[in-house]
Amino acid sequence: GAVVSQHPSRVICKSGTSVKIECRSLDFQATTMFWYRQFPKKSLMLMATSNEGSKATYEQGVEKDKFLINHASLTLSTLTVTSAHPEDSSFYICSARTVPDEKLFFGSGTQLSVL
Amino acid sequence: QQQVKQSPQSLIVQKGGIPIINCAYENTAFDYFPWYQQFPGKGPALLIAIRPDVSEKKEGRFTISFNKSAKQFSLHIMDSQPGDSATYFCAASMADKLIFGTGTRLQVFP
Repeated sequence: GAVVSQHPSRVICKSGTSVKIECRSLDFQATTMFWYRQFPKKSLMLMATSNEGSKATYEQGVEKDKFLINHASLTLSTLTVTSAHPEDSSFYICSARTVPDEKLFFGSGTQLSVL
Repeated sequence: QQQVKQSPQSLIVQKGGIPIINCAYENTAFDYFPWYQQFPGKGPALLIAIRPDVSEKKEGRFTISFNKSAKQFSLHIMDSQPGDSATYFCAASMADKLIFGTGTRLQVFP
């Protein structure tokens, strides 16, 4: 299957700092990528849909100014958690959709811990 | 309604058993139903998927049964192994959105 690379896999930061997470499709081009958040032993919650060359579409309740998404190329999307606080601590996962079969492949996730 | 209901929440079987995980949806606009396997600290991995025009799909030891009229679908794992111990998520997709079920934690004992 297609490979989606996500890094860092784990990051610890101080409250008030910003953290950038990268998501790359390694062997295919992805016009659409997705960002999810997962709490321990819970399901994945879609945060936003990232479209190459245009603004991201955020789900209801997700602060667009807090979670900045940039999809500048067909193989890279980034999620920046701005002014992180302890409540932002979570497992963040990206995914990318292949064309034309539209299968969704996931990155390995980023565990964010905000102290 | 965009929910996908998944059951059971957890499942324990012995090696060789056939765990069955069930999911139900309400929105008939969903047109793609994948299953994902997730190990702790990792992202979900696509296992198998089905579209509503097919009633069953089998790939290796994994089988999806799909009942369009009942709006239900299930995952069967044949000859389960300890290495299958993981959390399994069903999902339903329409347009750009993939809605996940709540997950089933499967434990397969030797």
